[in-house]
Amino acid sequence: GESVGLHLPTLSVQEGDNSIINCAYSNSASDYFIWYKQESGKGPQFIIDIRSNMDKRQGQRVTVLLNKTVKHLSLQIAATQPGDSAVYFCAEKALGVSGTYKYIFGTGTRLKVLA
Amino acid sequence: EPEVTQTPSHQVTQMGQEVILRCVPISNHLYFYWYRQILGQKVEFLVSFYNNEISEKSEIFDDQFSVERPDGSNFTLKIRSTKLEDSAMYFCASNPDRIKETQYFGPGTRLLVL
Repeated sequence: GESVGLHLPTLSVQEGDNSIINCAYSNSASDYFIWYKQESGKGPQFIIDIRSNMDKRQGQRVTVLLNKTVKHLSLQIAATQPGDSAVYFCAEKALGVSGTYKYIFGTGTRLKVLA
Repeated sequence: EPEVTQTPSHQVTQMGQEVILRCVPISNHLYFYWYRQILGQKVEFLVSFYNNEISEKSEIFDDQFSVERPDGSNFTLKIRSTKLEDSAMYFCASNPDRIKETQYFGPGTRLLVL
């Protein structure tokens, strides 16, 4: 079946270092992916997205890389800050029968930023 | 910036009771969703809603669940007879149309069934 999963459940990084969070997906037909950030007690917050016709997309301090050959997605956070501490989910767009969307979420990686 | 809002933020109920969770999606959005997240687990899709009807539902969304858009702004999730295992965070999400696929999530309602 379809699945989206994460390699590391917890990632600890020093403040100022770069963070890399990884995600594997299994549906080779997926054409759109999102990274969400979830802080404690809050809903998922959109960070960055990427379509399957791209292999890299950059935002402010964040970069998403997509490797369709090995069905791998990563989120890179530059100069990690304490406010980046959260759980990060990758989500894969799945097309429903009626043409609407749902997202299949990975299990999440907790990022801890050490002062 | 427009946001999805949800009420209540917390709900405690007795097993077997009915609960209604409310959401106000972003005003110009057309597609609406409910997700749930059991504590410490991943976010799971429940149902999508478009043009006043359910578009798709997951295995979790059984006969105890229903959704409604009673007016032009609210989107509700009803659980008719709550079970202990319904305890979770429930998130509402919306996106503008089929072209703009990014879903925007509300802050969630934490439901605790005793």
